[in-house]
Amino acid sequence: SQQGEEDPQALSIQEGENATMNCSYKTSINNLQWYRQNSGRGLVHLILIRSNEREKHSGRLRVTLDTSKKSSSLLITASRAADTASYFCATVTIYNQGGKLIFGQGTELSVKP
Amino acid sequence: DTEVTQTPKHLVMGMTNKKSLKCEQHMGHRAMYWYKQKAKKPPELMFVYSYEKLSINESVPSRFSPECPNSSLLNLHLHALQPEDSALYLCASSPHTKGRGGELFFGEGSRLTVL
Repeated sequence: SQQGEEDPQALSIQEGENATMNCSYKTSINNLQWYRQNSGRGLVHLILIRSNEREKHSGRLRVTLDTSKKSSSLLITASRAADTASYFCATVTIYNQGGKLIFGQGTELSVKP
Repeated sequence: DTEVTQTPKHLVMGMTNKKSLKCEQHMGHRAMYWYKQKAKKPPELMFVYSYEKLSINESVPSRFSPECPNSSLLNLHLHALQPEDSALYLCASSPHTKGRGGELFFGEGSRLTVL
């Protein structure tokens, strides 16, 4: 089952512009993570934000989390052609059996030089 | 470079074949995962192992059989698959086990085609 919905499904921008992707989820979470995937490759972890945090930065990445609205956003500033990839949010819920990391539908980002 | 190694990178098999996908990590992680990903879709969780024990099975059909022989290895045994099982199979590991929920480290995946 998939928990997260991402918006937009696809985004095309010029190099140097900012890219914003949004993620909404349905159940309570322990943390939310963002991953990047180049076409046909494995996923790379970008950033993790805990449920008691509201904003986090890492280099050109800024993530916000609003648990009251069950939503998160990922901002990539000053985008580069190399940022072209699919971006997934993933929510983590802790069960007795362990932690489940469930991915949203993803946003396909295209950055044109 | 990823520190989670998956073999083979590509696998073509018939519906009556038995094959295995392998995953190896040497980061000392005690949680390991199998995900399945179809084209243009997000990865779907299949199995979670914690300390070499199966902790989560997401109602995966029995034609997929996971095995964790030791803390570094994770296998996925495949038998009597269907063409719709064709997908990218991703292995991941995490230093966090029950109650932690940290980041996952993914391998590059094994692309499976079932004829």
